[in-house]
Amino acid sequence: DAGVIQSPRHEVTEMGQEVTLRCKPISGHNSLFWYRQTMMRGLELLIYFNNNVPIDDSGMPEDRFSAKMPNASFSTLKIQPSEPRDSAVYFCASSLRVISGGLAPSNYGYTFGSGTRLTVV
Amino acid sequence: EDQVTQSPEALRLQEGESSSLNCSYTVSGLRGLFWYRQDPGKGPEFLFTLYSAGEEKEKERLKATLTKKESFLHITAPKPEDSATYLCAVKAAGNKLTFGGGTRVLVKP
Repeated sequence: DAGVIQSPRHEVTEMGQEVTLRCKPISGHNSLFWYRQTMMRGLELLIYFNNNVPIDDSGMPEDRFSAKMPNASFSTLKIQPSEPRDSAVYFCASSLRVISGGLAPSNYGYTFGSGTRLTVV
Repeated sequence: EDQVTQSPEALRLQEGESSSLNCSYTVSGLRGLFWYRQDPGKGPEFLFTLYSAGEEKEKERLKATLTKKESFLHITAPKPEDSATYLCAVKAAGNKLTFGGGTRVLVKP
């Protein structure tokens, strides 16, 4: 398995430009997460999807950020317009969410991609 | 709101010098405590999941334990290749992980 694949690995853009980050989750995983990592704030959850449906986007900083998951094998995180304070490493992660009978759902192994390092100048 | 605090922020060890990392958490209805390892320029790599107080898990020189308020990651006789940032995260209701700030571990030969 190739794992979670993110592209690009590095992105340098000018303030005001649109940035699109891409993620391909592990085949068969039905949950997908977008995280942002900075020195000051550590790893923060931006948004997550279950079965391609956005469930919690409370971590999305503001309307400049949007995320989509058009199918089970692809997701994008878009920033428009970008600002210098958006500079960070953005990680995508996926997991398998299993619901068994009357038990609470369980997730097995959140697998992270290698990240996209975004620099906005 | 779920909170996770890791200590110390950084740890310098000599090869073979065992130590422990702490992860304190406040969460309503813990559904799992996760340990990850992160190397520079890479994404977090899954190590363990602990679900209930008293549970322990081991992998090579690493051993994770869990109580009702905290988790410890014990590193026994570390080697330079154990140098990394170790991240702790909790999962409560819903499907998201809340991470601590991490502990940077440097093992010198």
